[in-house]
Amino acid sequence: EVVMMQSPATLSVSPGERATLSCRASQSVSNNVAWYQQKPGQAPKLLIHGASTRATGIPARFSGSGSGTDFTLTISSLQSEDSAVYFCQQYNSWRTFGQGTKLEIK
Amino acid sequence: QVQLVQSGAEVTKPGASVKVSCKASGYTFTTYAMHWVRQAPGQRLELMAWINTGSGDATYSPKFQGRVTITRDTSASTAYMELSSLRSEDTAVYYCACLDCGDYWGQGTLVTVSS
Repeated sequence: EVVMMQSPATLSVSPGERATLSCRASQSVSNNVAWYQQKPGQAPKLLIHGASTRATGIPARFSGSGSGTDFTLTISSLQSEDSAVYFCQQYNSWRTFGQGTKLEIK
Repeated sequence: QVQLVQSGAEVTKPGASVKVSCKASGYTFTTYAMHWVRQAPGQRLELMAWINTGSGDATYSPKFQGRVTITRDTSASTAYMELSSLRSEDTAVYYCACLDCGDYWGQGTLVTVSS
């Protein structure tokens, strides 16, 4: 099973600043990585697929990069509504998820 | 628009079974697979199984093999997830999701296993 490890566990950033979230796969997953946002009491929402392609309707301040084993989600110009837990998921072999990064807006 | 509507919360006892339904609308049900993902408190999301809604063939995670059964009723555009031999660790929110049709998720069904 491919294990996805996210860091940091918690990130606290001021509004207007940039947040960088990391995800590392235990083996190469090519670019078959998605990023999700989840707010309390809601289902996960797809932000990025194919490591770097924004899902429909997702603002341009969300961007993804990486391939192989190391991936990054960058959220530029943070807004209060970005406060959430962010998960990475690989779909190269079955589908497995990271443990999440909780993003707090100061 | 695509919608996945799941059945309501369940409270059940250890050793029992639970069956969660997921009614799809807004697309041709048999075109896309339906996935079942669970989220236990403090745990990461887990893909339990998925079903080819056209053929009815299901693929299960080894972790849940033997305890979970995924079925569908094409006439009702509804998928089902049944989990048996429940234990307290199965307390979780269970989601159905159409991950290949634009990534749509149901609202989640909380299953609580408690004696």
